[in-house]
Amino acid sequence: DIQMTQSPASLSASPEEIVTITCQASQDIGNWLAWYQQKPGKSPQLLIYSATSLADGIPSRFSGSRSGTQYSLKISRLQVEDTGIYYCLQRYSNPWTFGGGTKLELK
Amino acid sequence: EVQLVESGGGLVQPGRSLKLSCAASGFTFSNYYMAWVRQAPKKGLEWVATISTSGSRTYYPDSVKGRFTISRDNAKSSLYLQMNSLKSEDTATYYCARHDAGARYFDYWGQGVMVTVSS
Repeated sequence: DIQMTQSPASLSASPEEIVTITCQASQDIGNWLAWYQQKPGKSPQLLIYSATSLADGIPSRFSGSRSGTQYSLKISRLQVEDTGIYYCLQRYSNPWTFGGGTKLELK
Repeated sequence: EVQLVESGGGLVQPGRSLKLSCAASGFTFSNYYMAWVRQAPKKGLEWVATISTSGSRTYYPDSVKGRFTISRDNAKSSLYLQMNSLKSEDTATYYCARHDAGARYFDYWGQGVMVTVSS
């Protein structure tokens, strides 16, 4: 199975700051990666797909990038509503696996 | 508006069975792959099953293969998950999710239904 190691496990940042969350794949997964946001008490929402493509209705403050087998989610100009847990998902091979999650809190 | 509404959760004893349902609306159900994803309490997400548009192809991780069966009724725009031989580690919120048009990622999720496996 492909392991997705997500870091950091948690972080705290102030509004308007820039944060970056990363996922390291245990093997090559190409661009078969997505990012999700899960707000407290809610179901996950797709943010980024195919490593770098912004999902419909998602603000351009969110962006995705790839360097080899490391994938990053960057959130610019943090807003209070960005609080939640962020997960990556590899869709390259069965079983499709999620990262362990990054809990983002706003100061 | 895409809507996915799960039902059928509850408390069940280890070794017993339970069937979840998901009612879909707001899109042409028969055109999309569908899936179930679960989340144990205070834990991360785990993909559980995926089914093709016609229902002819199904996919599972080893953790549930042979115990869980995903199915669909396109005439009723409904998705199902039959769960047999339930274990305590199956305790989770189960989400119904739609695959995107390319059958790649999960682009819409239901609100989830809780399943508790305990004696």
